[in-house]
Order: sequence, then structure tokens, then C-alpha cells
Amino acid sequence: EAGVVQSPRYKIIEKKQPVAFWCNPISGHNTLYWYLQNLGQGPELLIRYENEEAVDDSQLPKDRFSAERLKGVDSTLKIQPAELGDSAVYLCASSSQAGTTDTQYFGPGTRLTVL
Amino acid sequence: GENVEQHPSTLSVQEGDSAVIKCTYSDSASNYFPWYKQELGKGPQLIIDIRSNVGEKKDQRIAVTLNKTAKHFSLHITETQPEDSAVYFCAATRALWGAQKLVFGQGTRLTINP
Repeated sequence: EAGVVQSPRYKIIEKKQPVAFWCNPISGHNTLYWYLQNLGQGPELLIRYENEEAVDDSQLPKDRFSAERLKGVDSTLKIQPAELGDSAVYLCASSSQAGTTDTQYFGPGTRLTVL
Repeated sequence: GENVEQHPSTLSVQEGDSAVIKCTYSDSASNYFPWYKQELGKGPQLIIDIRSNVGEKKDQRIAVTLNKTAKHFSLHITETQPEDSAVYFCAATRALWGAQKLVFGQGTRLTINP
């Protein structure tokens, strides 16, 4: 079974530029999560999708961050414009059933560096 | 909301010895406590989890204990091996219908010395 796929793995941009990250969850997983992981810290939830609906985006900085999950499968996380403080690893995870404690499977992450 | 504290931040043990990592949580309603292992350049991988109706769970060399009264849980790794070197994260969540928000600890960097 293929795991969670993320691309790109690394991205270097200058501040004020836009950037987008893509995630393909495990086949059949209806719940998708985007996490932010700062260096030396644990992941922090940005947004959670159940199918195509964002059910928890309270931690997403909506002035510059946006996300979408069209057709309830792949998802894209966008930052526009990027700031120096956005440098971090962006992790995508998926699980098989909303509202339970089913295991969250993580992708390898996208490491973003903002110069 | 939930807050998870994890200690120590770094841990170095001799190969073959045991390692213990401890976490405390603040929300007494939390009922699911997973542990993740993260290797360099990879995403976190679940290694063991425990639910609030169980006090201890073991899987080969790895065990987790939960004390609901004190609101703390611990990861125990016995007979450590070099491949156990990684960063370990604990997490907690209150699993309600339609809500699952894992709150992670700050991580423990475990180094196994040969």
C-alpha cells in the first residue's frame, strides 16, 4: 500500500513570493490533515478535512494561508505571500475514518525555506 | 485546550539499556495517546498507542503506561538498539464524534550509543 505522498520535498523561495504544497493521501482515507512542524518542535495542526469539507481550520492563518481538497482526495496548501517565519516543514497526514482515533499516517513533509 | 509536556528533550543511553520518555497532559477528557518516531528527513511514524481504558500496553521491546489520575503517560524501550535512535513524540487527543485533534509534545531526541 502506497503511503502519503507529498511534493515537493524541498522548496526555497524569497519572502513575499507564493508557494504551494501538494498532498496525495492513502487511497480510501477520507480524513486529511495539514501540520506545521517548526525545527525542534512537534507538529501543530493547521487544518483538517473530512472528505472535501474543512472541519477544523481554527489554526490556519487565513490572511496568507489557504487550502483546498477538491473531490475529497488530493489537497493543496498555499501561502501567499510567504514570510521569513514560514520556514518550516509542512506535513500532510491521512486517516481512514473521521471522528475516531484511527491512526494518522504522515507523509515525508515539504521543507520550506524562505529567504 | 489540551497542552502536552514531554521530557527529557534529549536522552542518550548505551546500547542494550532501557530508555524512558515521559509526557503529561492537561485535558482530563483526553482519551487517546499515541507515540510517534521520526527519523531524519521523514514524517512521524506511529509506533504504539494507548487508550484511556487501558493502563499499559506492550509490543515487543516497546511499552506504554498511562496514569489517568496523574495525567501522565510514558514510553519504555528495552534492549535499545542503534536503529532506535530518532526523535520521539507523544501526543494526546479527546476523540469526540467528528473531532480528532492530536496535540503533540515537543519531542525527545534519543541517541543510542554503541
